[in-house]
Amino acid sequence: DIQMTQSPSSLSASVGDRVTITCRAGQNIGIFLNWYQQKPGKAPKLLIYAAFSLQSGVPSRFSGSGSGTDFTLTISSLQPEDFATYYCQQSYSTHSFGQGTKLEIK
Amino acid sequence: QVQLGQSGAEVKKPGASVKVSCKASGYTFTGYYIHWVRQAPGQGLEWMGWIDPNSGDTNYAQKFQGRVTMTRDTSISTAYMELTRLTSDDTAVYFCARDQPLGGYDAFDIWGQGTMVTVSS
Repeated sequence: DIQMTQSPSSLSASVGDRVTITCRAGQNIGIFLNWYQQKPGKAPKLLIYAAFSLQSGVPSRFSGSGSGTDFTLTISSLQPEDFATYYCQQSYSTHSFGQGTKLEIK
Repeated sequence: QVQLGQSGAEVKKPGASVKVSCKASGYTFTGYYIHWVRQAPGQGLEWMGWIDPNSGDTNYAQKFQGRVTMTRDTSISTAYMELTRLTSDDTAVYFCARDQPLGGYDAFDIWGQGTMVTVSS
């Protein structure tokens, strides 16, 4: 199994801030990397697929970058509805998720 | 409207089995793999495996090999996940999700609402 490691595990930020979350893969996964947002009591929602492609309907303040082993999710200007937990997922070899990053209001 | 609807919450005793269903609507059920993902209380997401609804082929995470069986009934557009020999560590919300090959890259674009399975004596 490919290990996925996210950092930080939690993050406090304010509305309007620019936020970056990092995901590192245990081996080269090319751009087989997706990002999801999950709010309490809800199913995850796909934000970014193939490292940097924005899923239909997702606001453009979300962006993804990276390839190989190091990836980032950036939210350019935090909105109140963005406070949630974010997960990366690799789809290079079966599937595995990072441990999550909880984004909280400062 | 494309959606996945899951069965209701379950309470099971240790050693028992549970079978969760996932009914697809609004799209061609046999056209997309279905994955199962679970989430223990307060924890992250854990991938369990997938089923190809067209062929019935499956691929399970090594952790669940021998304990999980994924099946489907194409006549009613429903996928199933059965987990046996339950322990308290299996207490979790179980999600089904549709695998959408976006530009050749797999991602889970549609999710069920989740099914809470509680294992308790």
